[in-house]
Amino acid sequence: NAGVTQTPKFQVLKTGQSMTLQCAQDMNHEYMSWYRQDPGMGLRLIHYSVGAGITDQGEVPNGYNVSRSTTEDFPLRLLSAAPSQTSVYFCASSYSRNQPQHFGDGTRLSIL
Amino acid sequence: AQKITQTQPGMFVQEKEAVTLDCTYDTSDPSYGLFWYKQPSSGEMIFLIYQGSYDQQNATEGRYSLNFQKARKSANLVISASQLGDSAMYFCAMRMDSNYQLIWGAGTKLIIKP
Repeated sequence: NAGVTQTPKFQVLKTGQSMTLQCAQDMNHEYMSWYRQDPGMGLRLIHYSVGAGITDQGEVPNGYNVSRSTTEDFPLRLLSAAPSQTSVYFCASSYSRNQPQHFGDGTRLSIL
Repeated sequence: AQKITQTQPGMFVQEKEAVTLDCTYDTSDPSYGLFWYKQPSSGEMIFLIYQGSYDQQNATEGRYSLNFQKARKSANLVISASQLGDSAMYFCAMRMDSNYQLIWGAGTKLIIKP
């Protein structure tokens, strides 16, 4: 029973590099989200999806792209990494808007 | 604008005592939901309890209960008989029915003393 799986768990990038954070869920959840968590702050929504082929921006979308080609996968792409994107990134999914979100274990990303 | 406020950055509580973690919210939406999550030092986010704005009774889940006071726009988490394993960050979050986004508070760091 995998739940929400995020890879990698840790990553160090240089400024200007691009990369994709992977997120997969095996619970057939329609709703998926990407958050970032910075020290002393709550989670902030980057992008979210309400189903395959449907994505929308959250509170802090700049510098990130997402796509949702399947129900299971929701990758987050950093286009040109900046030090301000150093953070812990969480992927989450839920069956519906009224259900609690299930979180992955997070990806700790450092941009040098 | 929608907002969640957790006024207690940190708390120390003696083991076996009850603890109340404060959460106030601001929204003009009539329909919304409130969530509490726990984040241990290992980093994972664990769902604890949910309260809908139209729920007549306060939510309870084992040792967790939610003291929901709609008129005061507060949704405090009560942990009864605290345990050492309750030491963690606790986050309050709000979802409006008008959209999917969850708005999160800054969290409260709870430390249970033996």
